[in-house]
Amino acid sequence: GAGVSQSPSNKVTEKGKDVELRCDPISGHTALYWYRQRLGQGLEFLIYFQGNSAPDKSGLPSDRFSAERTGESVSTLTIQRTQQEDSAVYLCASSAMRGGPHYEPDTQYFGPGTRLTVL
Amino acid sequence: GIQVEQSPPDLILQEGANSTLRCNFSDSVNNLQWFHQNPWGQLINLFYIPSGTKQNGRLSATTVATERYSLLYISSSQTTDSGVYFCAVERASNYQLIWGAGTKLIIKP
Repeated sequence: GAGVSQSPSNKVTEKGKDVELRCDPISGHTALYWYRQRLGQGLEFLIYFQGNSAPDKSGLPSDRFSAERTGESVSTLTIQRTQQEDSAVYLCASSAMRGGPHYEPDTQYFGPGTRLTVL
Repeated sequence: GIQVEQSPPDLILQEGANSTLRCNFSDSVNNLQWFHQNPWGQLINLFYIPSGTKQNGRLSATTVATERYSLLYISSSQTTDSGVYFCAVERASNYQLIWGAGTKLIIKP
């Protein structure tokens, strides 16, 4: 597709249930990021995938959160035993390959997000 | 960890006015970006500007890395400029973007 897509766009769940959020990055982008945005706040980094390297999971807030990525394509963010404080918009972004002999940060392109509401 | 502070938190202007948004950061950074989040939540990258000045139409940005701040200028504001403007910085040691809390801009017709 032309941009980053995420599904579902909205998810309402009951406390204690598991949820799975999906991100389809821009084709060819090797880097993929997950962020959380609470209402009226900036973005919190959750996890970063770069190619076949081990993901940077340092932003995951608890062991209830996990993410996987299949090769350089789709990623899923799973939240187990959801809590009300998990309610937020979850944003995914992708960027072209970074690093190499000359470090060049690259523009992150964001999806529309998944709005998660935990009742 | 590194702190990113944006000011003002809220800004209400009439169409046609100019504005300056500020981003202060507490440590040296490898990357600084400005983003616009429209009222529908979509985030758009405006500038990658770790230092110097860039311009894109009515928008321009300046980063003074030695003094740890960046400014985003919006001239001749339009109602479509409304939304939240975020500054995000990347430390030299990893790829994580650290985000400010944003400036909410409302442009009235």
